Amino acid sequence: EVQLVESGGGLIQPGGSLRLSCAASGFTVSSNYMSWVRQAPGKGLEWVSVIYSGGSTYYADSVKGRFTISRDNSKNTLYLQMNSLRAEDTAVYYCARDRYSGYDFGYWGQGTLVTVSS
Amino acid sequence: SYELTQPPSVSVSPGQTARITCSGDALPKQYAYWYQQKPGQAPVLVIYKDSERPSGIPERFSGSSSGTTVTLTISGVQAEDEADYYCQSADSSGTYMVFGGGTKLTVL
Repeated sequence: EVQLVESGGGLIQPGGSLRLSCAASGFTVSSNYMSWVRQAPGKGLEWVSVIYSGGSTYYADSVKGRFTISRDNSKNTLYLQMNSLRAEDTAVYYCARDRYSGYDFGYWGQGTLVTVSS
Repeated sequence: SYELTQPPSVSVSPGQTARITCSGDALPKQYAYWYQQKPGQAPVLVIYKDSERPSGIPERFSGSSSGTTVTLTISGVQAEDEADYYCQSADSSGTYMVFGGGTKLTVL
């Protein structure tokens, strides 16, 4: 059974850094397309970043240069390093995995809340 | 940057048919996906590759595509279908993913 469990969220001051983790089970992280998707309070879904099975990474313009996606194959875990955090980064962050085509988000974690506030 | 456009809200009575549209310039080239999200829950994929239905999703959910518009159709809407629905696709290069703004389906 595919499971994704996020952790690492919390309250952080503007300008600070935070690293989110997504522990995967039931499959191999390095063999799939893995993404981070966020949702600000009361707002819609926003794609943040993807790491392809080959290792290529891509980012939404809103986080490019500040966030870094990575994976640890030995721990079967996906990460999102978030630097220079802003109030507008406040959101629930979900990790997600493709299921059918590489471009879908067929599996989701439960999400972890990041609050950027002084 | 690439955008997908959805109506903010759709309302239907139980048993009627709900249609939610999503428009984007790259949709003739890229598949669309649809997600259902209920309050406090993670999204659930209900349609993939424009019109395919994942296992476990009721048959009343269907998808279609025509040019730059894709449509999610829910036939015989039930009270439990009240939720936010999001379309998702990729830009023309297939590199960047994007979500539509979401549509709140209200069952009257």
